[in-house]
Amino acid sequence: DAKTTQPPSMDCAEGRAANLPCNHSTISGNEYVYWYRQIHSQGPQYIIHGLKNNETNEMASLIITEDRKSSTLILPHATLRDTAVYYCLPYNTDKLIFGTGTRLQVFP
Amino acid sequence: GAVVSQHPSWVICKSGTSVKIECRSLDFQATTMFWYRQFPKQSLMLMATSNEGSKATYEQGVEKDKFLINHASLTLSTLTVTSAHPEDSSFYICSANREGRDTEAFFGQGTRLTVV
Repeated sequence: DAKTTQPPSMDCAEGRAANLPCNHSTISGNEYVYWYRQIHSQGPQYIIHGLKNNETNEMASLIITEDRKSSTLILPHATLRDTAVYYCLPYNTDKLIFGTGTRLQVFP
Repeated sequence: GAVVSQHPSWVICKSGTSVKIECRSLDFQATTMFWYRQFPKQSLMLMATSNEGSKATYEQGVEKDKFLINHASLTLSTLTVTSAHPEDSSFYICSANREGRDTEAFFGQGTRLTVV
């Protein structure tokens, strides 16, 4: 299984952009990069995913490097409700294996 | 987005008893569901893969006789914690794959199990 490396924690001021990096240097060619987040005591919530092109939806933007060895999740205007643990996961159709994620704390 | 529902949201049981947790995909069919366990301040740990109509596949170190999984229909998987002990107290989460052009996993809200 591909492994990921994420910083254990980050802080972000409310209203500012939160940029969460992830290294996935052993990702396979057919694996997508998925991002989920988990708010305390809830199940993980899907955010966004991509293969090699940058993606944007109503929640976030995903920037994937050309070599696909790393990606960055961007929350353009962080709010207090975005405080959560963010997980980046290489994934195709098999099981999702969670790493330790990044604990994002958004402060007023 | 698709909805996966777990029941109950929380349960307290006595040591030695069994507890059943249900995971339902409400608006799509799921041939594959997954069960995770999460201890405080830790990440989700995959316990097993539940396959509709066949035996579950357990991850290394997970006792299949203690954590019974049944996936009898395309919308329901159950996890039964047998002869529960206090160390089984944890947050149990299921997910179901909605297969399509891009397979996507949807998660239940989790079940907090406390064994006393």
